[in-house]
Amino acid sequence: AQKITQTQPGMFVQEKEAVTLDCTYDTSDPSYGLFWYKQPSSGEMIFLIYQGSYDQQNATEGRYSLNFQKARKSANLVISASQLGDSAMYFCAMRGSGGSYIPTFGRGTSLIVHP
Amino acid sequence: NAGVTQTPKFRVLKTGQSMTLLCAQDMNHEYMYWYRQDPGMGLRLIHYSVGEGTTAKGEVPDGYNVSRLKKQNFLLGLESAAPSQTSVYFCASNLQGAETQYFGPGTRLLVL
Repeated sequence: AQKITQTQPGMFVQEKEAVTLDCTYDTSDPSYGLFWYKQPSSGEMIFLIYQGSYDQQNATEGRYSLNFQKARKSANLVISASQLGDSAMYFCAMRGSGGSYIPTFGRGTSLIVHP
Repeated sequence: NAGVTQTPKFRVLKTGQSMTLLCAQDMNHEYMYWYRQDPGMGLRLIHYSVGEGTTAKGEVPDGYNVSRLKKQNFLLGLESAAPSQTSVYFCASNLQGAETQYFGPGTRLLVL
């Protein structure tokens, strides 16, 4: 069984500062993928970044990077140079292998960016 | 290319009423999913489908039924709505093995 844990229900950051959102996971699959999604107050789910378990380098997408530490089973999202528009809920998710693609989501972290 | 669409956007039901939520995607995706989102609970998988004519239970399937008669459509049914089913429902889809899911805009359901 897969499990995603996001221990920070809420985070605050000053505009232009960097922030790290924590995510730990548990799985017995040898191959898996990790994702982060953003959900602004408007409600839509926006895909941010993906990391495969066999990827040698940490994934980056613009201001987003995924700090993947396989031994610690963590996949933290780092947002650099925070903007007011980054205020949203952030969800970590993972999928296993085994021929299906059934993701498991964490409970989310609410990020508020202060001016 | 509309992506993933959901109908309706908002609905109010009385306890015991039935309804069907429609999810449609025009990306020829094999996999489709129904999630519910409740405060503090993240997204929980209700049912999913890995292809036309196939469905499977997710984490919280009780009180819901689904059908996938056409590849592009995935229907979620509530036969006898209960207040505990008040939630925001999201549909998602993806190609088999793809890195990411595409989400619909959500359906807000209130059961009185």
